[in-house]
Amino acid sequence: ELLLAGSGGGLVQPGRSLRLSCAASGFSLDDYAMSWFRRAPGKGLEWVGFIRSKAYGGAADYAASVKGRFTISRDLSKSIAYLDMISLRTEDTAVYYCSRGGGVGHGYSPIDSWGQGTLVTVSS
Amino acid sequence: DIQMTQSPSSLSASIGDRVTITCQASQDISNYLNWFQQEPGKAPKLLIYGASNLQIGVPSRFSGSGSGTSFSFTITSLQPEDIATYYCQQYDSLPPTFGQGTQVEIK
Repeated sequence: ELLLAGSGGGLVQPGRSLRLSCAASGFSLDDYAMSWFRRAPGKGLEWVGFIRSKAYGGAADYAASVKGRFTISRDLSKSIAYLDMISLRTEDTAVYYCSRGGGVGHGYSPIDSWGQGTLVTVSS
Repeated sequence: DIQMTQSPSSLSASIGDRVTITCQASQDISNYLNWFQQEPGKAPKLLIYGASNLQIGVPSRFSGSGSGTSFSFTITSLQPEDIATYYCQQYDSLPPTFGQGTQVEIK
């Protein structure tokens, strides 16, 4: 069964780091792009970044607001995708969602599965 | 970045009504457009990709059309379970960008 389970959220002080996990079952992580989104309180959806499938080179891209601070990776042996976040800011407070699929242009694959969302609160 | 202008920001309609949401891109995005639904407290759900392709498992009362810069999304007969916020998103180029969202309520 195809399943994504997000975890790792919590309360963290500004400037600190946090790692979000997205445990995948029912498919091989490197066969698909994996995307991360977030929704801040009272705001709309925001794309955070994605990592391409192995067939498309496996590189990652990020929103300007998180580039240089957030890193998406995959551990194939554990079947877990990660979103590593450093230098967290109060404006990073949001519910974070992992998903299978994504990309741009003709390389896009429709998003067909989502993690349940994990809340990250950045506050002193 | 490509700007996506979505309207209206909210609407209230009766059960069985036809509901239409529009989305305008700041430049030509061909048909690289998604429509997402997000129910309160739940993860988003992809309803339409490629401007008009219904994602597997999505009811046929949902549809999308358009290309270039002008797009629309329609619910032909609004149901109680359709209470949600709907977003358009372009994936023509990085970064993928969303419209502001349309909150759909039952009158």
